[in-house]
This record gives sequence, structure tokens and C-alpha cells, in this order.
Amino acid sequence: DGGITQSPKYLFRKEGQNVTLSCEQNLNHDAMYWYRQDPGQGLRLIYYSQIVNDFQKGDIAEGYSVSREKKESFPLTVTSAQKNPTAFYLCASDPGGSSYNEQFFGPGTRLTVL
Amino acid sequence: AQSVSQHNHHVILSEAASLELGCNYSYGGTVNLFWYVQYPGQHLQLLLKYFSGDPLVKGIKGFEAEFIKSKFSFNLRKPSVQWSDTAEYFCAVIRNTGFQKLVFGTGTRLLVSP
Repeated sequence: DGGITQSPKYLFRKEGQNVTLSCEQNLNHDAMYWYRQDPGQGLRLIYYSQIVNDFQKGDIAEGYSVSREKKESFPLTVTSAQKNPTAFYLCASDPGGSSYNEQFFGPGTRLTVL
Repeated sequence: AQSVSQHNHHVILSEAASLELGCNYSYGGTVNLFWYVQYPGQHLQLLLKYFSGDPLVKGIKGFEAEFIKSKFSFNLRKPSVQWSDTAEYFCAVIRNTGFQKLVFGTGTRLLVSP
């Protein structure tokens, strides 16, 4: 089955620790995205990548970092600089190059900072 | 900056009631419009989309939406809801010139009581 996988499903972190969230897709999509979902705030874009080895900051990139070394993988690191990291994180992808594309979403990772 | 407003944050309906969820956007140019749905425990998935043509679009599971350009609106409707429609619904908008980011509304949580 084609799709997007995210791991882990639940993640607990102590304050001051960096943590990396995994996102893998086998849809052969060029574009990948990371969103943060908080109650009452919808989805906010953290980082996006239109093609391998390239990525751009979204609206709330502070305290996060990404890499895009492979087409199918777009890991997100939540650093200790992120002031309020507890949230639900969604990864998405689409074929890229068009505003007519549907984005496909992974199941999400719920991060809790203790 | 482009924004998307969903004024109904929580909606509670009985089965068979009619549904209308509001969505307004701020951008004055040509846009593409989407409604996504997140059922409990499931991936965010596309419900319907509008690019051009007939402003009344039909999606999955009996949902439809009407694009009214003069009102910058893209309201979601369903004549008769079912308990299985309980979910969170997100409106999203993207400008269709060049590379643009998909902007999501804050979401509406729908609870349908049996």
C-alpha cells in the first residue's frame, strides 16, 4: 500500500532534550511538509521541502529543524529551543509543482514534553 | 497575509439534521479550495476540492460545498448527517499562482449524536 508513515505514534520527552520525528512516504512525491496541530489553531506549517536536498521554513519554524537527504524521508527534529513543543505533529506530501495537488497525510505523532 | 476563518469551532447535531460549516478566506486573487476531514483516530483526508467551473462541488460521503466568490466563502454542507460524520473538519486555501503554501482554517469539531 502506498502512503505516509510516521513514527513513533506517541513520544515523551524531558525538557531540554532534542527529539526527532520520522516521516517516510512511498508515493514518489517530490514535496513534503510538516505541520503542527494544536486544539483550536488548526494546522500550522513548520517546514516544507519541494525537492530532495532543499527545504524552506514555514510559518512557525523556530525551534525546529529538518533534513531532506532522500526523496522518501523528511525527518523533523524538535530542539530544546522550541518553547512549547507539546503538540500533534503531522507530515504530508504531494507530487509537487502545482497548487492543484491534494496533500496526503500521515497518522501523526503526539509529542508530550514532561 | 492570507487567512482562513472557520467561525464554528464546535457543532453538535442529532442524526438526520442538516449541516453547514462556514469557511471564509481573505485572499482576493484566484484560489483553490479544499475541505479535509479528520475522523477519530484516522489520517486527515480530502473530502472535496474546488479549482474552477461549477461552484457547487460534490465530495465523498454525501458532502458538498459551494464556492461564492463575491463572499470569499466555501461552505460545507450535508443534507442529513450520520453518527459516522463525527470528526474534525478543516477548510484550506491555496493561491494558484506559482508556489504557494496551503493555509488551513482552525477547524470545526462536529459531534453527531445518535
